[in-house]
Amino acid sequence: DAGVTQSPTHLIKTRGQQVTLRCSPKSGHDTVSWYQQALGQGPQFIFQYYEEEERQRGNFPDRFSGHQFPNYSSELNVNALLLGDSALYLCASSLGAEKTQYFGPGTRLLVL
Amino acid sequence: RKEVEQDPGPFNVPEGATVAFNCTYSNSASQSFFWYRQDCRKEPKLLMSVYSSGNEDGRFTAQLNRASQYISLLIRDSKLSDSATYLCVVNKGYGGATNKLIFGTGTLLAVQP
Repeated sequence: DAGVTQSPTHLIKTRGQQVTLRCSPKSGHDTVSWYQQALGQGPQFIFQYYEEEERQRGNFPDRFSGHQFPNYSSELNVNALLLGDSALYLCASSLGAEKTQYFGPGTRLLVL
Repeated sequence: RKEVEQDPGPFNVPEGATVAFNCTYSNSASQSFFWYRQDCRKEPKLLMSVYSSGNEDGRFTAQLNRASQYISLLIRDSKLSDSATYLCVVNKGYGGATNKLIFGTGTLLAVQP
């Protein structure tokens, strides 16, 4: 039973560029949430996708956008990258009404 | 004020010691509570859910006090392998599309031989 997978594992970009991160949820899960974890901090909620729609959003600017596909996989897009966007980006999946979220290994983004 | 606040770390304890972590949350509408463990440069992994009646899993005991909006984690007989960051997590949602995890900053535990 495959767990949550994310790609790529590491990424280096320069300021102003755009990036797309990908997530495949745990088998059978239909909800995907994205989190940003800066060094020394806990993960911060970005947004959540369910039934291909953004259902909730945290305090992140519109530069952060996403998408969920019919197979429940998801993408996180960040435009006009800033140095402060350097972080570990975590994807978590869950099933319907279940509250437990399972995390993928993350994508480590460095913006230079 | 942060929504979830944890004890500042790091906690340096010898093997075999008992260590306790505390956490407070500000939103009384919070519905469910967890402790996650995060190893260095890895993803958070669910350690245990926290219930009002208190719950135990081996050497780990979690307690929730809704009236005080306080959560605790007790680790008995610490092992070297317990060294990690422990994240206090609150879920304000009711499940499904309303799940939204709020994390504390985390407390670093270092168990010394």
